[in-house]
Amino acid sequence: DIQMTQSPSSLSASVGDRVTITCRASQGISTWFAWYQQKPEKAPKSLIYAASTLQSGVPSRFSGSGSGTNFTLTISSLQPEDFATYYCQQYKSYPLTFGGGTKVEIK
Amino acid sequence: EVQLVESGGGLVQPGGSLRLSCAVSGFTFSDHYMDWVRQAPGKGLEWVGRTRNKANSYTTEYAASVNGRFTISRDDSKNLLYLQMNSLKTEDTAMYYCTWADSSGYFVHWGQGTQVTVSS
Repeated sequence: DIQMTQSPSSLSASVGDRVTITCRASQGISTWFAWYQQKPEKAPKSLIYAASTLQSGVPSRFSGSGSGTNFTLTISSLQPEDFATYYCQQYKSYPLTFGGGTKVEIK
Repeated sequence: EVQLVESGGGLVQPGGSLRLSCAVSGFTFSDHYMDWVRQAPGKGLEWVGRTRNKANSYTTEYAASVNGRFTISRDDSKNLLYLQMNSLKTEDTAMYYCTWADSSGYFVHWGQGTQVTVSS
């Protein structure tokens, strides 16, 4: 199985901050990679797929980069509605696997 | 508007069975792969399994943790996805989400989830 390791597991940031979350795959997955956002008591929502393609309707302050084993999610200017938990996922091979999540909290 | 609405969750004893349903609208259900993803209380996301579309013979994939106990099926005529869960264990307690998966493998849309609790 491909293990996905996110860091940090949590962070505190202020509105307007630039935030970066990283995810590492235990083996190369090219760009078969996605990011999701989950707010408390809500279902996850797709943000980015193919490592860097924004899902329709996702604000442009979100961006993704990386390929192979190292990936990054960047929020260029954190907004109040961005406080949530973010998950990465690989879809290179079965079983499909997620990272452990990064909780973005208000400083 | 795309909608995925799960139902069928509840409280069940260990060793019991439960069938979840997911009613889909807003996209051509029969064309797409569909998955189940679960989330134990306070934990992260865990992929459960997938059914491919008719063009791919409705083949399925499962996580090792549920393989042999859970079965995913679909009724394209009714736009319904199912998850039959047998021999349930306490560790199967989770919110179960129905998802529309792109054929490449990522999850495009998610339902709101249905809670399954396995406890005596």
